[in-house]
Amino acid sequence: GDSVTQMEGPVTLSEEAFLTINCTYTATGYPSLFWYVQYPGEGLQLLLKATKADDKGSNKGFEATYRKETTSFHLEKGSVQVSDSAVYFCALSDYGGATNKLIFGTGTLLAVQP
Amino acid sequence: DSGVTQTPKHLITATGQRVTLRCSPRSGDLSVYWYQQSLDQGLQFLIQYYNGEERAKGNILERFSAQQFPDLHSELNLSSLELGDSALYFCASSTGTANTGELFFGEGSRLTVL
Repeated sequence: GDSVTQMEGPVTLSEEAFLTINCTYTATGYPSLFWYVQYPGEGLQLLLKATKADDKGSNKGFEATYRKETTSFHLEKGSVQVSDSAVYFCALSDYGGATNKLIFGTGTLLAVQP
Repeated sequence: DSGVTQTPKHLITATGQRVTLRCSPRSGDLSVYWYQQSLDQGLQFLIQYYNGEERAKGNILERFSAQQFPDLHSELNLSSLELGDSALYFCASSTGTANTGELFFGEGSRLTVL
């Protein structure tokens, strides 16, 4: 079945460092891809998405490009802040009519130190 | 604030007991999803309801059941609880009509089974 694999954490960076969190996927169709973020004590919230190959999703300085040839959707940010400390989840959609079921990776904890 | 409300936020109970978790989706959202988040298995999809009907089923145990009521709120029932059922249970909602894949998550119900 469809699945998502993302790099294990924790990832510890200093403020203003460059961030990459790797995500690869396995899917039989052509899913949409997402990054969700979970801040401490909160639910998940959508960070960015891409719906087809070569699309680039971006939000709050984060970017990810849908690479069909490498089945990847790596998350990047040029300069992280302490406020970016959170758990990041890569996900793909599993559509079927009105089903918007998402399959998530295991999550990557990012800790940014001042 | 995602607009999704989950109660209770915390619940402590004993093995063998039964609990009910409640979720109120965002206003206008027809789909409700339940996810289980545990340290060893990450975020696992349990079940989806759309306008009162079961739409998709994931890794939900037979001891667990759910339903969505006419007012669109949903309940997840967990019975014969085991230590391994201790986890954070998230509810999410979506419009269910557009395949954007964006789910709106509540803050979760943390279940501790002793």
